[in-house]
Amino acid sequence: AQSVTQLDSQVPVFEEAPVELRCNYSSSVSVYLFWYVQYPNQGLQLLLKYLSGSTLVKGINGFEAEFNKSQTSFHLRKPSVHISDTAEYFCAVIQWGTSYGKLTFGQGTILTVHP
Amino acid sequence: EAGVVQSPRYKIIEKKQPVAFWCNPISGHNTLYWYLQNLGQGPELLIRYENEEAVDDSQLPKDRFSAERLKGVDSTLKIQPAELGDSAVYLCASSPTRQSPQYFGPGTRLTVL
Repeated sequence: AQSVTQLDSQVPVFEEAPVELRCNYSSSVSVYLFWYVQYPNQGLQLLLKYLSGSTLVKGINGFEAEFNKSQTSFHLRKPSVHISDTAEYFCAVIQWGTSYGKLTFGQGTILTVHP
Repeated sequence: EAGVVQSPRYKIIEKKQPVAFWCNPISGHNTLYWYLQNLGQGPELLIRYENEEAVDDSQLPKDRFSAERLKGVDSTLKIQPAELGDSAVYLCASSPTRQSPQYFGPGTRLTVL
């Protein structure tokens, strides 16, 4: 079975600073990878996805992530954050094959951007 | 394009009462999911539908939870009777196919007193 570990439960950062949110996964087969963002009292919004091809994927709001198969990681980065990026971020995987459709989420990382 | 619609957004009930949540997926999305999100955790899949067929309900507590997706469009998730531990956010998502990215609704926050 697949699993996802988000290495930081909370990340405080100042506005305009760079940020990296770390995600590692475990799976015996190939996976699709996703990052979602959740603002307070809202549902999850898809930030970006890795399905195949280039290991560097760009998403909305200036975020990008890099798939590293050897390290089974999919870290999320942004070179300069804004106050409005304050939210909870979830890394998620779908395992190829019979588990298609079953998203497994990490525990989430709360990003707090301070002025 | 309209997103996934859920109602109600908030629900407060006494324990042992029944409750139902409704979801309308994005038009044309054949796959529909119900997730449970406890405070401070990531969502966990309860049930997945392909059109009107429940193809993965292994995580659904069938003694008190039930779901249906009549005509392969809207879906309803029911809890009867509700317990204190059911307090959580119930999220609905949809996707064109099961291999596609999933798009989430705003969720229903349930509080059981």
